[in-house]
Amino acid sequence: GENVEQHPSTLSVQEGDSAVIKCTYSDSASNYFPWYKQELGKGPQLIIDIRSNVGEKKDQRIAVTLNKTAKHFSLHITETQPEDSAVYFCAAFRSRGSEKLVFGKGTKLTVNP
Amino acid sequence: ETGVTQTPRHLVMGMTNKKSLKCEQHLGHNAMYWYKQSAKKPLELMFVYNFKEQTENNSVPSRFSPECPNSSHLFLHLHTLQPEDSALYLCASSLAGAATEQYFGPGTRLTVT
Repeated sequence: GENVEQHPSTLSVQEGDSAVIKCTYSDSASNYFPWYKQELGKGPQLIIDIRSNVGEKKDQRIAVTLNKTAKHFSLHITETQPEDSAVYFCAAFRSRGSEKLVFGKGTKLTVNP
Repeated sequence: ETGVTQTPRHLVMGMTNKKSLKCEQHLGHNAMYWYKQSAKKPLELMFVYNFKEQTENNSVPSRFSPECPNSSHLFLHLHTLQPEDSALYLCASSLAGAATEQYFGPGTRLTVT
């Protein structure tokens, strides 16, 4: 089945710096890749997603890139702010057989003021 | 406010107890999900309902029993749980299947003593 690896598990940056989180997936049939942000005491919230027919998508300070050949995708946050501190999860949608989202283990991002 | 509510937010139960978790969505979505979130592990999909019909049971032990009486409500009935079942249980909903944005509730923090 699908397997999603996420790195790093923790990331600490200074306010204003950029943060990059990387994920790899195993199933070449996966075609939808969302990123979720989970703040303390809350459920995950979608922040950006990308489908396999595009290589990059941007929304203000957040961007996601996808390399289908290498089967990896990355989240880029520029000009980080303390409120970006949270746990970020990548996921891959496996449409072959059982349709479900497979999540990575998460990255705890800390933005230091 | 995500439009997905869960009750209770915290639950402590003994291994011989029977309890139920409740999820309600006010978004007009057709799919609902139960996930288990444990420390240092990816979110684990437990059950999926599409239009009130269960479409996924991700090899979940029978001590967890889901119920979906209508598209807006989802329950997770618990009985004779084990301490390793202690986790955050998240409910989510989406307009269509898993390749569309999932909206998560805040979760129920379950502790089995």
